[in-house]
Amino acid sequence: GESVGLHLPTLSVQEGDNSIINCAYSNSASDYFIWYKQESGKGPQFIIDIRSNMDKRQGQRVTVLLNKTVKHLSLQIAATQPGDSAVYFCAENENSGYALNFGKGTSLLVTP
Amino acid sequence: EPEVTQTPSHQVTQMGQEVILRCVPISNHLYFYWYRQILGQKVEFLVSFYNNEISEKSEIFDDQFSVERPDGSNFTLKIRSTKLEDSAMYFCAITHRDPDTQYFGPGTRLTVL
Repeated sequence: GESVGLHLPTLSVQEGDNSIINCAYSNSASDYFIWYKQESGKGPQFIIDIRSNMDKRQGQRVTVLLNKTVKHLSLQIAATQPGDSAVYFCAENENSGYALNFGKGTSLLVTP
Repeated sequence: EPEVTQTPSHQVTQMGQEVILRCVPISNHLYFYWYRQILGQKVEFLVSFYNNEISEKSEIFDDQFSVERPDGSNFTLKIRSTKLEDSAMYFCAITHRDPDTQYFGPGTRLTVL
């Protein structure tokens, strides 16, 4: 039968390689950005966030880069592991407590 | 990471029936949200709830939807008369000390037949 829904961009990487997932946003007033990981059948899991007054933030094996000039956000995962396989969503909002606007998601597949 | 649970994990209902989805925060939280995700699509905002009232809602959140926190603990989403297109995963999210970081629950899968 015909499938309905978005065709997710897919990134396939080998275990141990670094992964870079990209996200573009359109709202110049966006002030807060966040990356979520979603495994099949589960809720979005917080990975890392960044505010608009920063351009880089690092966590454990993950780095988020923000380029406000071109409205671009990226998530870098170092030494990608099979457990990193999931769909990754970027999200943003303008003010604290406001609704998050989610991107379409990227499917990351880590092969051994 | 603040914990939040949702019940039920899966709800099957007939079109036109009312459903109530529940979000049970573990500790004292600041903001409460409901989002939905239709299969294979992105997460969409429905409503936010702060200080016992709705602070923001989307176009999806029409008169068929309502939220409340009746006992100061559970946060509920009610759909009065379900439609086939209401079939989706419904996620509750909360913020804790940081008003920005939203943590999501495991979701309730709603299937409308």
